[in-house]
Amino acid sequence: DAEITQSPRHKITETGRQVTLACHQTWNHNNMFWYRQDLGHGLRLIHYSYGVQDTNKGEVSDGYSVSRSNTEDLPLTLESAASSQTSVYFCASSEGLKETQYFGPGTRLLVL
Amino acid sequence: DQQVKQNSPSLSVQEGRISILNCDYTNSMFDYFLWYKKYPAEGPTFLISISSIKDKNEDGRFTVFLNKSAKHLSLHIVPSQPGDSAVYFCAASSSSGTYKYIFGTGTRLKVLA
Repeated sequence: DAEITQSPRHKITETGRQVTLACHQTWNHNNMFWYRQDLGHGLRLIHYSYGVQDTNKGEVSDGYSVSRSNTEDLPLTLESAASSQTSVYFCASSEGLKETQYFGPGTRLLVL
Repeated sequence: DQQVKQNSPSLSVQEGRISILNCDYTNSMFDYFLWYKKYPAEGPTFLISISSIKDKNEDGRFTVFLNKSAKHLSLHIVPSQPGDSAVYFCAASSSSGTYKYIFGTGTRLKVLA
């Protein structure tokens, strides 16, 4: 079955370190998204991509970057991790702009 | 500025009764709305959606109502079951923009057996 996976599921890192969270989908969806979930804020969009080599900033993109070298993967990089980036991160994908987004299981990140 | 608001952080309902979850939005350009359900340690899963050309959409026990003039939507679950206990997020998007989803802060539903 087609799916969307995230790795690692849990990560502890130190302030200032570079961290990369992986997202892989096997639906061949063009659109991929990264969100963070924090108490009192719901899900907030970090970055998104509408296809290979396309990336766009969301509402909370500072301190994060993404790259899209193929259809299946959209890794999220924290250039220099900060305690404010402690959160649960979700990746999602959709077939078309109007289509429903399907979410991965999430990565819980703790920055000490 | 929160464009999509879920003002009730939590809700408890007896099994078999109706659960009503509410969501308000401020952007009149939103024309597509969704509800997602989220269990602990899992990603959100799509539940039901509604386009602004409709005022109601039904799928089994789940019905979403849209009141465009009030900028308000609600999710009705009838009858509620213990397995419905989860966090529910509403989301909105605009076809005149980039179709990005704007999520509310979520409502934690607890269905009591």
